[in-house]
Amino acid sequence: QSALTQPASVSGSPGQSITISCTGASSDVGTYDLVSWYQQHPGKAPKLIIYEVTKRPSGVSDPFSGSKSGNTASLTISGLQAEDEAYYYCCSYAGSNTWVFGGGTKLTVL
Amino acid sequence: EVQLVESGGGLVQPGRSLRLSCAASRFTFDDYAMHWVRQAPGKGLEWVSGISWNSGIIGYADSVKGRFTISRDNAKNSLYLQMNSLRAEDMALYYCVKDMGRFGVTLDVWGQGTTVTVSS
Repeated sequence: QSALTQPASVSGSPGQSITISCTGASSDVGTYDLVSWYQQHPGKAPKLIIYEVTKRPSGVSDPFSGSKSGNTASLTISGLQAEDEAYYYCCSYAGSNTWVFGGGTKLTVL
Repeated sequence: EVQLVESGGGLVQPGRSLRLSCAASRFTFDDYAMHWVRQAPGKGLEWVSGISWNSGIIGYADSVKGRFTISRDNAKNSLYLQMNSLRAEDMALYYCVKDMGRFGVTLDVWGQGTTVTVSS
């Protein structure tokens, strides 16, 4: 159960697009299309923004999109806004009824 | 709107036990798998344990296997985490999380968490 690998931080200006990567292994991200992404603002509980690699829950805005290639999943946020500044975590099913999270990425909107 | 309210956290000495509870409401509890996820102070998220809708499928992180036990009482709409042999590294905010399916699919809605402090 090794944690998924995410960059510690990314940044972008308002209106720009950014992508956060999430690298796992053939035993988790590479095998299962059960990758999800969470947004967490300081002092708040995480919020689901992408599930099953590409799906958006109802109420989550268009700028958030997900993809996967091989053992790496990605979250793209288009048209950055100030309120997008937060921590983002990826999560994947890892088999044998276990789940694994990434270490988290701090997004700074410049 | 789904509501998950955790309780049972507190200060405990290393080696002792603690039982966390999660009261669920505003959804059909026995239709969904549930999870516990923790977050140490200033750190990232760590999945701890998950349980299917009927308790038939259970999983644990290696870090807690053999020490923690997850359970649920569908009649009481409640999820539990029995934590034994607590260590300093177990100190964290523990979240109760609803899944999207009867078996583990996606961790969906999160409670506000209950804090566990392990210290002598």
